[in-house]
Amino acid sequence: DIVMTQSPDSLAVSLGERATINCKSSQSLLYSSNNKNYLAWYQQKPGQRPRLLTYWASTRESGVPDRFSGSGSGTDFTLTISSLQAEDVAVYYCQQYFTTPWAFGQGTKVEIK
Amino acid sequence: QVQLVQSGAEVKKPGSSVKVSCRASGGTFSSFTISWVRQAPGQGLEWMGMIVPAFGTTDYAQQFQGRVTTTADGSTSTVYMEMRSLRSDDTAVYYCAREHENGGFDIWGQGTMVTVSS
Repeated sequence: DIVMTQSPDSLAVSLGERATINCKSSQSLLYSSNNKNYLAWYQQKPGQRPRLLTYWASTRESGVPDRFSGSGSGTDFTLTISSLQAEDVAVYYCQQYFTTPWAFGQGTKVEIK
Repeated sequence: QVQLVQSGAEVKKPGSSVKVSCRASGGTFSSFTISWVRQAPGQGLEWMGMIVPAFGTTDYAQQFQGRVTTTADGSTSTVYMEMRSLRSDDTAVYYCAREHENGGFDIWGQGTMVTVSS
């Protein structure tokens, strides 16, 4: 089974500053036949259901602000919030869908410094 | 726009079973895959298994094999997740989620709190 590991577990960032979350998979999520990485990012605010932010590692879901960007390939991925807003306080999860069982990272909690 | 509407909160005794429903409102499941994901209090997301309602095909995480069954009723656009032999550590919010055509889960139900307590 693929294991997803995020870092850090939590981070505090000042409003308007950049937040960077890392996600590492135990095996490559890059499918050679289509050159796509089978990785998604989610945001979960307290008391709410998760929200899909990106898929294919870097494609933003409709309606997601462009301050959220995903990058990376193979086994190493990053979610960047370019200018943190108060409404971005949440837990963020990466998830692989390369092969079942689908797996999530343990989550990264983002707070305001 | 399709929404996923789940059944209400449940309180169960250890050793009993629970069945949670997830209905597609405003549309159908079509050929999409529906997964079940749970979240224990203060914990992360855990994928349990999935079903393709149009075909009835299923896949489960190993730790839920034999204890969880997902079924679908196309006539009501409803998917069900039944868990047996409940334990206290099954206390969690259970979500159904639709798999995006490009991967990832783009639509989530509101969640169903299942509490297992004697």
